[in-house]
Amino acid sequence: GAVVSQHPSRVICKSGTSVKIECRSLDFQATTMFWYRQFPKQSLMLMATSNEGSKATYEQGVEKDKFLINHASLTLSTLTVTSAHPEDSSFYICSAHGTSRYEQYFGPGTRLTVT
Amino acid sequence: QKEVEQNSGPLSVPEGAIASLNCTYSDRVSQSFFWYRQYSGKSPELIMSIYSNGDKEDGRFTAQLNKASQYVSLLIRDSQPSDSATYLCAVNEGSQGNLIFGKGTKLSVKP
Repeated sequence: GAVVSQHPSRVICKSGTSVKIECRSLDFQATTMFWYRQFPKQSLMLMATSNEGSKATYEQGVEKDKFLINHASLTLSTLTVTSAHPEDSSFYICSAHGTSRYEQYFGPGTRLTVT
Repeated sequence: QKEVEQNSGPLSVPEGAIASLNCTYSDRVSQSFFWYRQYSGKSPELIMSIYSNGDKEDGRFTAQLNKASQYVSLLIRDSQPSDSATYLCAVNEGSQGNLIFGKGTKLSVKP
């Protein structure tokens, strides 16, 4: 099957620092990856679509200068939360297309806590 | 605004019963439909995909699609306590394959 990994699984950082989250497709090439955020007891919210070799497409209301996305290869996309604040504390999950165009396979998620 | 609607639940069924989860969507041109299972504190896991009208069975799971009614459902036969989770309905949007997710239905299977 299509396996997606994320690193780190948990991170605690201080307010004002930056955090980088990696998303890797392990057994397939992913030209498109997606970044989601999920607050407790709420549904998934798409933050941005990451395309290999081009700029990410951000959803309305998501600050592209705060959430930096880089998709430098067909197996790796990174999300950097810059100048993190406590309100950025959330569960960040990436996904990628598998062999079927629209099926998305999710990574295990990264729980970010900003103190 | 394209939407995917699900009953938030919780839906409680006894062990061994059939759990029926429902979803409606607003975009008539949607072609791909998915059910994800999400355990508390974990990321979603794809359990079913369906693209054509009718039923699609996979083990204890059956997905049903009715494009005319813009309705997709998931049946879980012989429900087990391990099926207790939130079930997310997702519908494709756009050429890049974005998915629109419902808010999920929380299922509780009682032993």
